Amino acid sequence: EPEVTQTPSHQVTQMGQEVILRCVPISNHLYFYWYRQILGQKVEFLVSFYNNEISEKSEIFDDQFSVERPDGSNFTLKIRSTKLEDSAMYFCASSERSGVSYYGYTFGSGTRLTVV
Amino acid sequence: KQEVTQIPAALSVPEGENLVLNCSFTDSAIYNLQWFRQDPGKGLTSLLLIQSSQREQTSGRLNASLDKSSGRSTLYIAASQPGDSATYLCAVKDDYKLSFGAGTTVTVRA
Repeated sequence: EPEVTQTPSHQVTQMGQEVILRCVPISNHLYFYWYRQILGQKVEFLVSFYNNEISEKSEIFDDQFSVERPDGSNFTLKIRSTKLEDSAMYFCASSERSGVSYYGYTFGSGTRLTVV
Repeated sequence: KQEVTQIPAALSVPEGENLVLNCSFTDSAIYNLQWFRQDPGKGLTSLLLIQSSQREQTSGRLNASLDKSSGRSTLYIAASQPGDSATYLCAVKDDYKLSFGAGTTVTVRA
């Protein structure tokens, strides 16, 4: 079964540093997403990406965050100047379509980011 | 703003018992609802997807129902096994995102 692949599985970074989280979505999927889960809290939406641009973003997704699809397979989340409160599990997801004809999301196994 | 609630927060049952997990949501204008399983420190595994026009969906020992008008979904797991121990999350899809509940953590005792 096709998978969404995320690397690294765990990253530790010092406060103030920049991190890049990487994802390889399912190859025929068109919509890509980042979600995060702070320990003990709900999974929450960060951003959706379609046709090489952001389609929607949450209030969490401020100027500290950016996303990119640098080539035909990778999808990245960059977090600049990390803060302690950025520590969370970050999930990448992809779906074939959005809107009415919706096939469901496939999530990756996550990157646990620890900011020290 | 969509709010998704899952009750109970935790559940412990002996092996073989049937499980009933509840999910409610405040805004019925959804495209669909998806149930996920999450093992400790791991990713989200999709279990079932119910479109807004459907009433239920089944996969093996799992059955999920959806009452969109009343904002409720129920996940039934028949004949539970220790391997079913995990956190189960429901998520509803609106215009552009999934909104998640906090999950029900299930422990199946051997």
